[in-house]
Amino acid sequence: ELKVEQNPLFLSMQEGKNYTIYCNYSTTSDRLYWYRQDPGKSLESLFVLLSNGAVKQEGRLMASLDTKARLSTLHITAAVHDLSATYFCAVDTTQGGSEKLVFGKGTKLTVNP
Amino acid sequence: DAGVIQSPRHEVTEMGQEVTLRCKPISGHDYLFWYRQTMMRGLELLIYFNNNVPIDDSGMPEDRFSAKMPNASFSTLKIQPSEPRDSAVYFCASSFPRTGTTDTQYFGPGTRLTVL
Repeated sequence: ELKVEQNPLFLSMQEGKNYTIYCNYSTTSDRLYWYRQDPGKSLESLFVLLSNGAVKQEGRLMASLDTKARLSTLHITAAVHDLSATYFCAVDTTQGGSEKLVFGKGTKLTVNP
Repeated sequence: DAGVIQSPRHEVTEMGQEVTLRCKPISGHDYLFWYRQTMMRGLELLIYFNNNVPIDDSGMPEDRFSAKMPNASFSTLKIQPSEPRDSAVYFCASSFPRTGTTDTQYFGPGTRLTVL
C-alpha cells in the first residue's frame, strides 16, 4: 500500500526566509503532484513532476523529484504572507493502470510579517 | 471553462436523512473522482469513474454511500442514511487520462456537509 508522508505538518516562518517541505513516499512512482489549499477553499494544482530529476519553479516556489530516493521537495524562497496555505503532495499508484492519487496529510504554512 | 462545478456548496441535515451531492466535471475530462476531507483523516479518495464507469470504489466507507455517473457531465454521491461522522468536505475532481503534462486533477469548490 502506497504511503505518503509530508513533513513538517505545521510550519511557521517569517517573511523573507527560506524553507523546504519534504514529501516521502513508500513505493515506486514516477509522478508526483503538489497542490495548494487556502482555508475553506478547494485544492489548486501547483506542479506536476513527471520524471526523476524533474524540477519546476513558479515564483517563490520550486519543486523537485528524486524517484530513486522516493522524495520530493517544495522549496520556498523569500517567503511572503500570500504563501500562507496548506500544501499537499500526491503520488500516483502506477499499479494496473490506476489513476488513483494518494495524498499526504498536508503542510500548513503560516508566513508571519 | 467554468471548472468543476459542485452543488450544493453547503448542506446541513439531520441524522438519518438522505443526502445527495452533485458534480459536473470539466467538459472533455474522462475521469471523475470523489474525495472526502476531514481534519482527522485528511483527503481520502472515495471512488473514481472512467468514461462514466466506476473503476475503483474501495474507498467508499460503507454501504450507506453510493455514487453514480449517468453521463459524461454529471455525477452524484449519495449518503443514505446520513450519520454525524459523515460530516466533512466532499470534493469532486476531474482529469484527462494520465498521459501527459496536463493530467493533473482539477478540484471543484467542495460541498461542506454537516450532519446533526
